[in-house]
Amino acid sequence: DSGVTQTPKHLITATGQRVTLRCSPRSGDLSVYWYQQSLDQGLQFLIQYYNGEERAKGNILERFSAQQFPDLHSELNLSSLELGDSALYFCASTTGVNTEAFFGQGTRLTVV
Amino acid sequence: GQSLEQPSEVTAVEGAIVQINCTYQTSGFYGLSWYQQHDGGAPTFLSYNALDGLEETGRFSSFLSRSDSYGYLLLQELQMKDSASYFCAVHYGQNFVFGPGTRLSVLP
Repeated sequence: DSGVTQTPKHLITATGQRVTLRCSPRSGDLSVYWYQQSLDQGLQFLIQYYNGEERAKGNILERFSAQQFPDLHSELNLSSLELGDSALYFCASTTGVNTEAFFGQGTRLTVV
Repeated sequence: GQSLEQPSEVTAVEGAIVQINCTYQTSGFYGLSWYQQHDGGAPTFLSYNALDGLEETGRFSSFLSRSDSYGYLLLQELQMKDSASYFCAVHYGQNFVFGPGTRLSVLP
């Protein structure tokens, strides 16, 4: 158990819909990262937050947004969903000075 | 920008030694790390090289050469449970950029 919790584990929704994925980082970790992993693909960096503020942005679509709340949990919002958005979405956290990232078990999103 | 390359697949037999290479083109970074991911599972940290040279952690070792823009993960005494995908990642301060991953298949 990495200490990072993601909910839900699975999500099936229709095209055009909007979903919210939730991540609770390890206790004490200030940085949260979101990654997208399509089938048999690598980890595509989406966005990073540190202590509530956006720190870095990767290849995140305009239809996607995220935020980190005062209690440090983070949410990734995906809207106007398309079939191609079907993927595993991982959240990871670090202390901010650590070299190791701890990943949650991911949310498997299926858009039908 | 950052660009990393890894072989897409590697196959080896139980008990053997395998090396997974990672080459990169980047303007500068703090270190190189390696992660293991079993099918359907979360990536888990294996090792980190902040400096050039070899880092050893049990059966796994990782190497970095900044002058050659190259690193590798060495897995010894391969076991069936080592069948997984392996990702290298470069560190930019608090950010990580992952390579495309190498799928390792260990055969009996």
